[in-house]
Amino acid sequence: GENVEQHPSTLSVQEGDSAVIKCTYSDSASNYFPWYKQELGKGPQLIIDIRSNVGEKKDQRIAVTLNKTAKHFSLHITETQPEDSAVYFCAGFIIQGAQKLVFGQGTRLTINP
Amino acid sequence: DAGVIQSPRHEVTEMGQEVTLRCKPISGHDYLFWYRQTMMRGLELLIYFNNNVPIDDSGMPEDRFSAKMPNASFSTLKIQPSEPRDSAVYFCASSLAWGGTGELFFGEGSRLTVL
Repeated sequence: GENVEQHPSTLSVQEGDSAVIKCTYSDSASNYFPWYKQELGKGPQLIIDIRSNVGEKKDQRIAVTLNKTAKHFSLHITETQPEDSAVYFCAGFIIQGAQKLVFGQGTRLTINP
Repeated sequence: DAGVIQSPRHEVTEMGQEVTLRCKPISGHDYLFWYRQTMMRGLELLIYFNNNVPIDDSGMPEDRFSAKMPNASFSTLKIQPSEPRDSAVYFCASSLAWGGTGELFFGEGSRLTVL
């Protein structure tokens, strides 16, 4: 079936450095790609999203890029801070077949002080 | 608004017992989703409702699982009989819109352990 692959599964960076998480998707008709952040003991929360008519979107220290030709998108966090430590999920809205939001496997990001 | 409210937060039960998880979506949200989260399979969509009507239940693992939404402010996910492999965190989420345009608002989850 249609899926979303996410890498890496774990990522550790020094405070102040940048972090990049990458995702690929299989449904070429997918048009919506959100990123969710999940803190310990809580549900995922939307932090940024991008639609297929846009190549890049920024919100303060967070940016997402989309390459529709290659069917991949990435999350970039700059000037990382301890509160950025969490599990991050990418997702793609699958249009072919049953329409649904499919999540990647998640990336556990740890910011080292 | 208090957000999506789920209960119980934690449930420990024995194999074969019935489990009922509850969800109160954000008022005014027309879509409600049930997700299951495990280490092995990540976040899986089980079922979702639009205006209280089940739209896609293809993610429900088997007949032991059932979900209802009797009104706009309440939904249940029932497992009967429960098995150890059902142990997971179950999330309810609601959304104002769908079709790739709606943010999902998740509850804090119900952690289920089946012994």
